Amino acid sequence: GAVVSQHPSRVICKSGTSVKIECRSLDFQATTMFWYRQFPKQSLMLMATSNEGSKATYEQGVEKDKFLINHASLTLSTLTVTSAHPEDSSFYICSASGGSGLPPSYGYTFGSGTRLTVV
Amino acid sequence: GENVEQHPSTLSVQEGDSAVIKCTYSDSASNYFPWYKQELGKGPQLIIDIRSNVGEKKDQRIAVTLNKTAKHFSLHITETQPEDSAVYFCAARPTGGGNKLTFGTGTQLKVEL
Repeated sequence: GAVVSQHPSRVICKSGTSVKIECRSLDFQATTMFWYRQFPKQSLMLMATSNEGSKATYEQGVEKDKFLINHASLTLSTLTVTSAHPEDSSFYICSASGGSGLPPSYGYTFGSGTRLTVV
Repeated sequence: GENVEQHPSTLSVQEGDSAVIKCTYSDSASNYFPWYKQELGKGPQLIIDIRSNVGEKKDQRIAVTLNKTAKHFSLHITETQPEDSAVYFCAARPTGGGNKLTFGTGTQLKVEL
């Protein structure tokens, strides 16, 4: 089945530094990648949508200069949290959607998530 | 935009009983409704989905029903087991929304021995 690999699973960084999270689709071409943020005991909040080779579309209230998204290939998307602060601590999850083949065009496959802690 | 409401927020059942989680959506043009199971510290996993041209779908102990007129859909889990304990999210995808999913608020299901 469709697999999305997300790394790292956990990261602790110092305030002011940047952190990069990678999301790879292992057995299908992800034409669209979604990045979510999830606070404890809350639902998934969509941060941005990116299509391969295009600039990401950010949801209202999400700072595009702080959360840099790159989707340079059909199998890799990255989220970089720049100048991280304690309030950026959260669980970040990617989701890949394929235009054809696996997964079905209507389907979405999620990564395992990254727990970011900024100290 | 689309708004998805989910109830209940917590659900506790005895092992072997059935569990039902309900969601309502606001955009009548939504055409895809997946359900996800999320275990602690992990990403959501798709457990079942349904498209707007189908009223019911079943996969072993899990079933989903969709009422387009009332704009609600439900997840039914029969013969619950302790490993079913997790947070469950419903979602809806409106047409013309750039393929984005709108998630419900989640249901913490606890299956007690």
